[in-house]
Amino acid sequence: GAVVSQHPSRVICKSGTSVKIECRSLDFQATTMFWYRQFPKQSLMLMATSNEGSKATYEQGVEKDKFLINHASLTLSTLTVTSAHPEDSSFYICSASGAGGTKETQYFGPGTRLLVL
Amino acid sequence: GEDVEQSLFLSVREGDSSVINCTYTDSSSTYLYWYKQEPGAGLQLLTYIFSNMDMKQDQRLTVLLNKKDKHLSLRIADTQTGDSAIYFCAESIRGGSYIPTFGRGTSLIVHP
Repeated sequence: GAVVSQHPSRVICKSGTSVKIECRSLDFQATTMFWYRQFPKQSLMLMATSNEGSKATYEQGVEKDKFLINHASLTLSTLTVTSAHPEDSSFYICSASGAGGTKETQYFGPGTRLLVL
Repeated sequence: GEDVEQSLFLSVREGDSSVINCTYTDSSSTYLYWYKQEPGAGLQLLTYIFSNMDMKQDQRLTVLLNKKDKHLSLRIADTQTGDSAIYFCAESIRGGSYIPTFGRGTSLIVHP
């Protein structure tokens, strides 16, 4: 099956710093990548959708200047949490879908746990 | 109410069958999915069913779809302790670029 990786798996940072999370599709070309945020014991909240080479589409209530998304290639998308604060602490999960037989399904990365002190 | 609803907890004995239920509201749903999330991990796609199907079986997993009642279920036969996880039901529609709408997840606890 399709494999999506994320890096780092865990990160602890000080308040006010920026954190970059990478999402890679390892064995398929991801035309679309998605970024989710998951709070404890909650479902996934879609933050934004990005297509390769174009600007990301953010969901209502998600600050695009705070959560910068770059989808520079068909295998890599990055999420940068700028000037992180403790309330940004969460589990961030990316997913990817591709052309052809994979466009109907999303394949998820293992997630990145962010803790902002 | 929410677009996709699931019960939050299910507890079963090892070796028994588990049935996790889900209801959805969008009648134009094209695909319905079951994902598994183990503690501290991302989501693993278990199986999905196209809306014109009633049933799909894959080894220990059986998915049943009642489109009239907008009800989806996942049956796990011979449940093992390794099946303990959170199971998410999700739906997507073709016109929505297949972006799934997730339920809140059902926490399955398997005890000896």
